[in-house]
Amino acid sequence: SQQGEEDPQALSIQEGENATMNCSYKTSINNLQWYRQNSGRGLVHLILIRSNEREKHSGRLRVTLDTSKKSSSLLITASRAADTASYFCATDGRGSNYKLTFGKGTLLTVNP
Amino acid sequence: ETGVTQTPRHLVMGMTNKKSLKCEQHLGHNAMYWYKQSAKKPLELMFVYNFKEQTENNSVPSRFSPECPNSSHLFLHLHTLQPEDSALYLCASSQDGLGRGGRDTDTQYFGPGTRLTVL
Repeated sequence: SQQGEEDPQALSIQEGENATMNCSYKTSINNLQWYRQNSGRGLVHLILIRSNEREKHSGRLRVTLDTSKKSSSLLITASRAADTASYFCATDGRGSNYKLTFGKGTLLTVNP
Repeated sequence: ETGVTQTPRHLVMGMTNKKSLKCEQHLGHNAMYWYKQSAKKPLELMFVYNFKEQTENNSVPSRFSPECPNSSHLFLHLHTLQPEDSALYLCASSQDGLGRGGRDTDTQYFGPGTRLTVL
């Protein structure tokens, strides 16, 4: 069954606003990663958060992890048109032999 | 842009054709992956190679045949494909796909993908 599942499926905001995307998963994990994909291109790694971490920052990105709720959120602050992309969470369920399982993604559109 | 290249970027083939996708990574990684990305579906892991050895075959039909001659190159040979095989095929690499030494699951670095259309 699918491990990571993003919510919402699509999000449209104005430039300068913050964007929040959520990810829920089913089994215990070692870590959770967020990736970005521009239309028709490969995925780009954004940030990794370990199961013993609760929050992590990278530039305008803030990721939180709540292992008790099996959920994570990605916050992009002061969004820009260039942030328009699909965002995926990926988890490695424990016992998964270090394979990543990706969700369907959230399509973020930032309008100028 | 990411050190992982894929060729061709676009491929149109008939169901009776034989073609190959190529992936090359310039990052010195030891693990390489093939993924399939179809519209409205999650990214699907197809194959994993670690140190040139196949360590994962995710129940992929035999019309897809991977080859990994060395840690830097990965091929996906295609033959007698079906229209439902049309998708974006992504290659990725990581430092170590087996989590040795207690490491976390590695970050994966993706190529730009090959957009495959099967007529």
